[in-house]
Amino acid sequence: SAVISQKPSRDICQRGTSLTIQCQVDSQVTMMFWYRQQPGQSLTLIATANQGSEATYESGFVIDKFPISRPNLTFSTLTVSNMSPEDSSIYLCSVIRNMNTEAFFGQGTRLTVV
Amino acid sequence: SQQGEEDPQALSIQEGENATMNCSYKTSINNLQWYRQNSGRGLVHLILIRSNEREKHSGRLRVTLDTSKKSSSLLITASRAADTASYFCASSGGGADGLTFGKGTHLIIQP
Repeated sequence: SAVISQKPSRDICQRGTSLTIQCQVDSQVTMMFWYRQQPGQSLTLIATANQGSEATYESGFVIDKFPISRPNLTFSTLTVSNMSPEDSSIYLCSVIRNMNTEAFFGQGTRLTVV
Repeated sequence: SQQGEEDPQALSIQEGENATMNCSYKTSINNLQWYRQNSGRGLVHLILIRSNEREKHSGRLRVTLDTSKKSSSLLITASRAADTASYFCASSGGGADGLTFGKGTHLIIQP
């Protein structure tokens, strides 16, 4: 398994501002991902956080809106930029230790934009 | 990533009964995983089944996989009130791929 610390656990933000979410893992992992879960919905992959290089974004998600950093093998950040109420969701960090094995998730960040 | 389908979307049963949830996916996979989520919190990993496996057990959980039909099922036997949660399947193409989630089943166990 993996111990994943995600901060903040929740926040209420004003529209037009930005929020940075942190994800810290207890040991080195191969892959880190960010997902969004809109209210009452399932999870959607935002991007793969690549260590030392630009993240790989899924269709519908762009770097300007969701900049991601991954400076090392245990830490990543996701920023939600220029927020609007439509960005109100749970954002989850996920890690995979080795290829083709189970993914583990942080407890999520519940974001409300007002 | 296109989401697969899960059915039923909601399921309410009596404690002690068995609960079966189904999942379909759209592309070829390396593995398929099942997760539980309580009240919008983080996901708890339940079981992973690989594309060359047909059935897997873990405690009260039984998962089947039919790659010809691109479908999987999760059976929870002898359900308990604590099993009340949302259950999601998630498929992986393997390698560096992230997961593609199904829409989920909300399971309610009536005491």
